Amino acid sequence: QQQVKQSPQSLIVQKGGIPIINCAYENTAFDYFPWYQQFPGKGPALLIAIRPDVSEKKEGRFTISFNKSAKQFSLHIMDSQPGDSATYFCAATDYGNNRLAFGKGNQVVVIP
Amino acid sequence: EAGVAQSPRYKIIEKRQSVAFWCNPISGHATLYWYQQILGQGPKLLIQFQNNGVVDDSQLPKDRFSAERLKGVDSTLKIQPAKLEDSAVYLCASSLDRWNTEAFFGQGTRLTVV
Repeated sequence: QQQVKQSPQSLIVQKGGIPIINCAYENTAFDYFPWYQQFPGKGPALLIAIRPDVSEKKEGRFTISFNKSAKQFSLHIMDSQPGDSATYFCAATDYGNNRLAFGKGNQVVVIP
Repeated sequence: EAGVAQSPRYKIIEKRQSVAFWCNPISGHATLYWYQQILGQGPKLLIQFQNNGVVDDSQLPKDRFSAERLKGVDSTLKIQPAKLEDSAVYLCASSLDRWNTEAFFGQGTRLTVV
C-alpha cells in the first residue's frame, strides 16, 4: 500500500521555469514531510522539509507548500537550472518513528 | 564530516547464491536503516536499528534476508538465497537518533541477480 503518492511522474521544463511536484498522504499521524533529491548513482539527499504547523517553507530556490486539510504538499523549484535535473522524492514519517515512507519519485529535466 | 559508507558499490550474483552488504554510518549516529530501492520506485524501509537493537523489521523478508549491527556501529545486510526480484539498490542511512528526523543516505549497493 502506497502511503505517499506523487504526481506527475516526470517533468521537462525550460531553464528558468518552475517545476511543481505534488504529493498526497493518508496517514494523519504523519508530522514530518521531507523532500529528497537523487542524482544517478547517488543516494537520496535531503533537500527541504516541513512540519504541519506551517503552510509554506522556503530554502533558496526550493519551496514547500503544505495543505493539512487536503493532506497534500508540493515542491516548487524556482528559477530552475539544468543542475536541478534529478529525481525528487517526497516522504513522510511521524515523530518518534522516523521510518520514512517514500513516494515513487518524479524525474525532473531542466533544458538549457 | 564523513558520510555514510557502503560497500560494495556493485554486485552481480546468480539466483540462489548469497550476498552481503556492509554499511558504516556517520560517527555518533545511533539509528541505522536499510532501504531497498527497486528501479523506478522510491526507497522502501527494510529494517531500522537503534544502536544494536532492532526497532522495526516488519518489511524485511525474514526467510531470506537478515541484518545485524553487533557493536552498534557498522551493519551488514545479507540475502540468502537471492531471487531475481531482489535486484535493486540497497541503501543504508543513518540519523542521530530515532527522534531526529534528518536521515543521511549512502550511495548504495546495486545488486543484480541473474
